[in-house]
Amino acid sequence: QSVLTQPPSASGTPGQRVTISCSGSSSNIGENTVNWYQVFPLTAPKLLLYSSDQRPSGVPDRFSGSKSGTSASLAISGLQSEDEGDYYCEAWDDSQSGLVFGGGTKLTVL
Amino acid sequence: EVQLVESGGGLVQPGRSLRLSCTTSGFTFADYGLTWVRRAPGRGLEWVSFIRSTDYGKTTGYAASVKGRFTISRDDSKSTVYLQMNSLKTEDTALYYCARAKSNLDYHFSYGMDVWGQGTTVTVSS
Repeated sequence: QSVLTQPPSASGTPGQRVTISCSGSSSNIGENTVNWYQVFPLTAPKLLLYSSDQRPSGVPDRFSGSKSGTSASLAISGLQSEDEGDYYCEAWDDSQSGLVFGGGTKLTVL
Repeated sequence: EVQLVESGGGLVQPGRSLRLSCTTSGFTFADYGLTWVRRAPGRGLEWVSFIRSTDYGKTTGYAASVKGRFTISRDDSKSTVYLQMNSLKTEDTALYYCARAKSNLDYHFSYGMDVWGQGTTVTVSS
């Protein structure tokens, strides 16, 4: 079981807005920022959002993030077929003195 | 161009050792923290270990699942980070990625890992 909890799956149709949640605790999300990664089959993870809501250069503004208390969320608006893949949240955990990942959410574009 | 290239993976018997390497280029290696992250077949990403930059004393951290068995190190003269894996278990079977901290001032890797290698496969089996 992962320290950060994500729904195993999410889905939407093209053009829709989809959100993926990430639930943690006071030792991780409650005290630290959250990062999100996008993973496609046979490719390395890509940093999608950092510091909870910041987009690295090149990431479309369709992707946005937020954090409140011990939870965070990733929102994808204007869903596109190429968004289909796995999404992971990650944060520093003070009690473990290390990084923790969510279990991942498989996004399907219907 | 910033690049990370992992090597050293392979098939190994339980209880044996393996050393992974991550050779980097395109940035000032000594200034950045680096991590190892793995993905077991059919499972999600799992953080394995980190090593901070020279400015932060090259301090290290390990996931509970590998603590005492794995050792991370770095050779700034070769721009390379290593993962020495001892007493390997079948559950260590995974694709191992090397990744760089996004910020060179990031003690807790709070800004995430922005550059990843393609990974090297470790299979532990008798």
